[in-house]
Amino acid sequence: DQQVKQNSPSLSVQEGRISILNCDYTNSMFDYFLWYKKYPAEGPTFLISISSIKDKNEDGRFTVFLNKSAKHLSLHIVPSQPGDSAVYFCAASAYTDSWGKLQFGAGTQVVVTP
Amino acid sequence: NAGVTQTPKFRVLKTGQSMTLLCAQDMNHEYMYWYRQDPGMGLRLIHYSVGEGTTAKGEVPDGYNVSRLKKQNFLLGLESAAPSQTSVYFCASSIITGLADYNEQFFGPGTRLTVL
Repeated sequence: DQQVKQNSPSLSVQEGRISILNCDYTNSMFDYFLWYKKYPAEGPTFLISISSIKDKNEDGRFTVFLNKSAKHLSLHIVPSQPGDSAVYFCAASAYTDSWGKLQFGAGTQVVVTP
Repeated sequence: NAGVTQTPKFRVLKTGQSMTLLCAQDMNHEYMYWYRQDPGMGLRLIHYSVGEGTTAKGEVPDGYNVSRLKKQNFLLGLESAAPSQTSVYFCASSIITGLADYNEQFFGPGTRLTVL
């Protein structure tokens, strides 16, 4: 049973517009959330994270929002650029799990069109 | 620094054959992980290690064994490959600060394995 779900397998957005990627989780013990970006034939790379004590974290064009009551987080990319075309994975971790294990969602393929 | 490297990049096996995937990291990280990625499934943890000489089972450990004889290397073995093990395998490493901070894992480029 997947504890982290990304229900949109793909997203197409025009260059310059906002990309919004969504992620839902079921385990209330999760207290740290990360987004990874993956290009074809490469490993995932860390993009941005958020702790459960916050509801928003920004890093340049990337903002992650966390709604704990809804067990939902989203990644906003503004403005979207062609280089943002990739697969984005949402991941969650429980700090009480000291081995640092991550649960990943299935990923969302983002395509940014000119 | 090379970061996390994986050998080989591609491999085709016949059912019942064995092989070992090698992961190496030069960041002096204590923690290392093996994942598999399948379509529509995201990344699933196979085994992990919290230090040299230690290993533990992840979410999908059946059919795999691991060893961490040196801190910088983490080996994933398939003793008798099955078609269900056709997947892309990723190794990752991380450092845990022990603080309430994030756990960024650094990933290798992956090994694409096909079992016929």
